[in-house]
Amino acid sequence: KAGVTQTPRYLIKTRGQQVTLSCSPISGHRSVSWYQQTPGQGLQFLFEYFSETQRNKGNFPGRFSGRQFSNSRSEMNVSTLELGDSALYLCASSSGQGMNTEAFFGQGTRLTVV
Amino acid sequence: AQSVTQPDIHITVSEGASLELRCNYSYGATPYLFWYVQSPGQGLQLLLKYFSGDTLVQGIKGFEAEFKRSQSSFNLRKPSVHWSDAAEYFCAVADSWGKLQFGAGTQVVVTP
Repeated sequence: KAGVTQTPRYLIKTRGQQVTLSCSPISGHRSVSWYQQTPGQGLQFLFEYFSETQRNKGNFPGRFSGRQFSNSRSEMNVSTLELGDSALYLCASSSGQGMNTEAFFGQGTRLTVV
Repeated sequence: AQSVTQPDIHITVSEGASLELRCNYSYGATPYLFWYVQSPGQGLQLLLKYFSGDTLVQGIKGFEAEFKRSQSSFNLRKPSVHWSDAAEYFCAVADSWGKLQFGAGTQVVVTP
């Protein structure tokens, strides 16, 4: 079965712009989580959506937002981009049935802010 | 709050030698632990996971890990490393919602 698909793979944006990233989870999975990966901060949790509801949120400013659609696809949006938002953004899907479920990751979207 | 520590930022190992990556966790209840591998520019691939039961777990690509509650550790091992094992390895613990807390990662370099 198809894995987690993230689009686009690469993005270059200018400071002050906004960006939307997309994630299509594995078929049947209802949970989508987003992580930011940077050399300085490592892998940090952004938020998780389960059945179109945000169930968990990390410590990121309000410029970072997301949503999930009825087909479980998810988007995350970053407004008023800053240079420090340059990162690899990873999406993970799972069945969402608690801590003993396996998360499958996409290949990520590499965002560069200039 | 849970946390994960990977003490080794960088490890160099010869091809064919054994490899052990250390991971220490902090979690109030029974931990759900994972090891992921990441090749350059790629996402994370799950190597193995521990939920309960046997404390020695087998994973893909010949990796295994041992859960030691008394030491709060979940170290990853491979008896004989291949050049293709060069990558970054992340240990993670899940909270009750399944949110993953990752360690800082260990970069593994394999020399001929």
